[in-house]
Amino acid sequence: GAVVSQHPSRVICKSGTSVKIECRSLDFQATTMFWYRQFPKQSLMLMATSNEGSKATYEQGVEKDKFLINHASLTLSTLTVTSAHPEDSSFYICSAKLAGGYSYEQYFGPGTRLTVT
Amino acid sequence: GQNIDQPTEMTATEGAIVQINCTYQTSGFNGLFWYQQHAGEAPTFLSYNVLDGLEEKGRFSSFLSRSKGYSYLLLKELQMKDSASYLCAVRDSDRGSTLGRLYFGRGTQLTVWP
Repeated sequence: GAVVSQHPSRVICKSGTSVKIECRSLDFQATTMFWYRQFPKQSLMLMATSNEGSKATYEQGVEKDKFLINHASLTLSTLTVTSAHPEDSSFYICSAKLAGGYSYEQYFGPGTRLTVT
Repeated sequence: GQNIDQPTEMTATEGAIVQINCTYQTSGFNGLFWYQQHAGEAPTFLSYNVLDGLEEKGRFSSFLSRSKGYSYLLLKELQMKDSASYLCAVRDSDRGSTLGRLYFGRGTQLTVWP
């Protein structure tokens, strides 16, 4: 089946530093990947839609200069949290959509737990 | 804007049936999804409805009424392992750069008691 991985699974960083999170589709190509953020006991909040080879589309209220998204290939999208602050501590989850044809399903990665101290 | 509403918590006993409701008001609609999420893990796909009616998949069924902006997830023969958060999600547009994006409800935390 379609597998999506994320790296790292957990990261702790100091306030003011930047953190990069990778999302990879392991056995399929994904022209579109999505990034979500989830706070404790809250639902997933869509942050941005990432399309291979083009700029990401950010949801209202999400700072594109703070959350840099790069989707350089059909199997990899990265999210960089720049100048992280404690309020950025959250669970970040990516999902990937199969390239080509019509597919309704998104495949989710296992998530990355970010803690900013 | 997108508004997806579902109950925060529900409880039930093993072997019982539980129905989790979801109502939505979204600017576009191209399908409704149900996901199961255990604490600290990513969501796993349960069901998908795009046309009105009932979709059955083993112990899980999902119903959709587009005119009412309403869906429910029905879980039968509950097991302890079904204790999890159940997320209702609506897919927005079906074209353009945001093709396939999902908007999630807050999730319903289901606790199954022995």
